Amino acid sequence: NAGVTQTPKFRVLKTGQSMTLLCAQDMNHEYMYWYRQDPGMGLRLIHYSVGEGTTAKGEVPDGYNVSRLKKQNFLLGLESAAPSQTSVYFCASSYDRTSGGAAYNEQFFGPGTRLTVL
Amino acid sequence: AQSVTQLGSHVSVSEGALVLLRCNYSSSVPPYLFWYVQYPNQGLQLLLKYTTGATLVKGINGFEAEFKKSETSFHLTKPSAHMSDAAEYFCAVSVFTNAGKSTFGDGTTLTVKP
Repeated sequence: NAGVTQTPKFRVLKTGQSMTLLCAQDMNHEYMYWYRQDPGMGLRLIHYSVGEGTTAKGEVPDGYNVSRLKKQNFLLGLESAAPSQTSVYFCASSYDRTSGGAAYNEQFFGPGTRLTVL
Repeated sequence: AQSVTQLGSHVSVSEGALVLLRCNYSSSVPPYLFWYVQYPNQGLQLLLKYTTGATLVKGINGFEAEFKKSETSFHLTKPSAHMSDAAEYFCAVSVFTNAGKSTFGDGTTLTVKP
């Protein structure tokens, strides 16, 4: 199993440009999450999804959009990038319904995407 | 709502010394508690977790943590630090009422001196 993968690993954008970050998981997980990590601020939840076709806002959703058209994929879009969106972005997934266990168990993280907006 | 407080954003120990990273949580319902480790330029990986049952839980790399309900704490310990333990550590809490979301602490950076 590849687990959780993210593409790209690095990206540099100019202010106002748009881009999409792709997250894929092969663990049959129901839930997927997008976080940003900034120095001294821990992990902040941007958006999350509890199933295919559903998404919801997290703590810091402004300036981002998401889509979950397929269960295994969760896309994060920046429509008009701003320097304040310079960060490391992590995708995570959790909860295989078929294996039992609680829906609020541990999350599995991808390796991250380092984004710089100039 | 649940919350997590990690006491000390930076902890420094000598190789071979005891590692103690502190985590206190707040939750109105029984929580699941987690410690994750993040090595430089990598994602987070699970170190150990408490769900129900035994309050002393053991994880990878010799780490363990004890769930103390009366103190609302879940401190992480390791008897003897190794250079390879240098990393950032995150405590997290989740509850059944929160749609699978976890609340993470701000992290503690562990430095191990030779």
